[in-house]
Amino acid sequence: GIQVEQSPPDLILQEGANSTLRCNFSDSVNNLQWFHQNPWGQLINLFYIPSGTKQNGRLSATTVATERYSLLYISSSQTTDSGVYFCAVERWGGGSNYKLTFGKGTLLTVNP
Amino acid sequence: AAGVIQSPRHLIKEKRETATLKCYPIPRHDTVYWYQQGPGQDPQFLISFYEKMQSDKGSIPDRFSAQQFSDYHSELNMSSLELGDSALYFCASSLVQGLYGYTFGSGTRLTVV
Repeated sequence: GIQVEQSPPDLILQEGANSTLRCNFSDSVNNLQWFHQNPWGQLINLFYIPSGTKQNGRLSATTVATERYSLLYISSSQTTDSGVYFCAVERWGGGSNYKLTFGKGTLLTVNP
Repeated sequence: AAGVIQSPRHLIKEKRETATLKCYPIPRHDTVYWYQQGPGQDPQFLISFYEKMQSDKGSIPDRFSAQQFSDYHSELNMSSLELGDSALYFCASSLVQGLYGYTFGSGTRLTVV
């Protein structure tokens, strides 16, 4: 099946700092999503971004499908941004039909 | 906007007991997925249903079964519970098998004691 690698595994920031999270995947994908899992365990969908660039407030994401990576940018980080950020991909066809495969996540801690 | 509804939010069971988790997808979504997330782990795919038929299966134990009903809600049944079944169980739904992305519910936290 498709492999998803996220980096860095852990990241500690001071409030107000910017950060970039990376997601590499091993094959072409039909779907890529970024999620934020908050301390209560909820998985919040941030972006559906199989290709291109999107922005939502302080967050933006870029997926370069031909080079098999995606980046999540967090600007002016706040303590409420803390949690685990997951990249998940889906590839149709072969042995990976119609299900999201998650990376191991990046644990972000934003200190006041 | 309507979201994916899961119940219960929390569940405590003893070893060897049975648990049933319920999921109500977003209206008009035709595909439901179940994921299991152990402590400190990423979510792992268990099983999915498209138009009430099982469409894919992951590493789901034989003690677990699931189905999707005529109103599109889904239930995950877990029998002979083990300590290792303690986890967050997520349900997600999508339109046209993930074409426009997945929406996840808030999860059910199952604790087996």
